[in-house]
Amino acid sequence: EAGVTQFPSHSVIEKGQTVTLRCDPISGHDNLYWYRRVMGKEIKFLLHFVKESKQDESGMPNNRFLAERTGGTYSTLKVQPAELEDSGVYFCASSQDWSPGGYTFGSGTRLTVV
Amino acid sequence: SQQGEEDPQALSIQEGENATMNCSYKTSINNLQWYRQNSGRGLVHLILIRSNEREKHSGRLRVTLDTSKKSSSLLITASRAADTASYFCATREMNRDDKIIFGKGTRLHILP
Repeated sequence: EAGVTQFPSHSVIEKGQTVTLRCDPISGHDNLYWYRRVMGKEIKFLLHFVKESKQDESGMPNNRFLAERTGGTYSTLKVQPAELEDSGVYFCASSQDWSPGGYTFGSGTRLTVV
Repeated sequence: SQQGEEDPQALSIQEGENATMNCSYKTSINNLQWYRQNSGRGLVHLILIRSNEREKHSGRLRVTLDTSKKSSSLLITASRAADTASYFCATREMNRDDKIIFGKGTRLHILP
């Protein structure tokens, strides 16, 4: 089965620009999560979708970040306008409805804001 | 809130030696997981240990869990250069089936 896929793998944008990250979860996985690791620090939770609904978005840093999951399939995370402190690696993960196991993570998108 | 806290923050050892990393957490958990991130790459799930388990093995990996002390350790035996990476513990809180919370990670460097 295909894993979790993230696009692009790397993005370099200027401060003030907009960037959209995409995550394709494993087919059939209702749960989709976004995390990010900024400046080599800890990996922080951003939000959790169950199908197309936002179950928990307590980790979203501010209103410059907008996540969507139309139709409960792939998800996008838009940063508008991007700031320097948004640089980091953004990870997406998916899991089945009730998965006692580990999550399957994508390879991440490295975002560099200059 | 921050859950897992790994120590040491950084560890350098000679190839062939064993590496031990520790993780402490604060709340009651369903399970604890260890992940690896190679530089610039994605997160790889290494091993999961449930709250009713005390020890688990997977290849060169050995994980222990002490729920009374709210701590876990990850042992990598006979380290290799390819083990150079950041290692994170992550916990899923008891009675919650949603997000997992990561610690700050341990940077492991295997010296040739």
